Amino acid sequence: GQQLNQSPQSMFIQEGEDVSMNCTSSSIFNTWLWYKQDPGEGPVLLIALYKAGELTSNGRLTAQFGITRKDSFLNISASIPSDVGIYFCAGRYSGTYKYIFGTGTRLKVLA
Amino acid sequence: DSGVTQTPKHLITATGQRVTLRCSPRSGDLSVYWYQQSLDQGLQFLIQYYNGEERAKGNILERFSAQQFPDLHSELNLSSLELGDSALYFCASSVDQGSAGNTIYFGEGSWLTVV
Repeated sequence: GQQLNQSPQSMFIQEGEDVSMNCTSSSIFNTWLWYKQDPGEGPVLLIALYKAGELTSNGRLTAQFGITRKDSFLNISASIPSDVGIYFCAGRYSGTYKYIFGTGTRLKVLA
Repeated sequence: DSGVTQTPKHLITATGQRVTLRCSPRSGDLSVYWYQQSLDQGLQFLIQYYNGEERAKGNILERFSAQQFPDLHSELNLSSLELGDSALYFCASSVDQGSAGNTIYFGEGSWLTVV
């Protein structure tokens, strides 16, 4: 199926470090969403972005809607052990109703 | 709690059988989406309904079908099950009106194991 290019695929970081991940698309999107999924559970919405250039924070998380509308970035500052999980981006482009999901970034935090 | 309810949480069935997964969207949400997630894989879009009508279709097999009822709950029917159908099936919902309505919220998922 169609998917976004999300990177990195996985990350091992030390507690307290900052984390950056991104998603890119060949299509122009009008919505970007970022989710976190714990094993065996449903994805939980972290941040929603609706305009190019938009920068939105949720606690230690900050996400941006790229100016080209073909990419988005998620940053986590001062990571803690409970940040462990899989982070997915999702996007929706004009003329379609369905969301496409990235392949996920698996984050592991070493205490 | 996202407000999206899925049942059953876990289901084990034999190959060739048929199962129905049920989803109740968040109160006020008109759109329901179904996604499939196999082990260590991403989320594959199956199908979307809006206010009872099919709106978008993804890589949904012909053995699978879905519908959305007048009370807006949705069912995903999986028939002639194969081992490869074992996966987590997620339902998500959204208001789908205006920018804020573009946000989708996921249920906890139904874990299907075909043996």
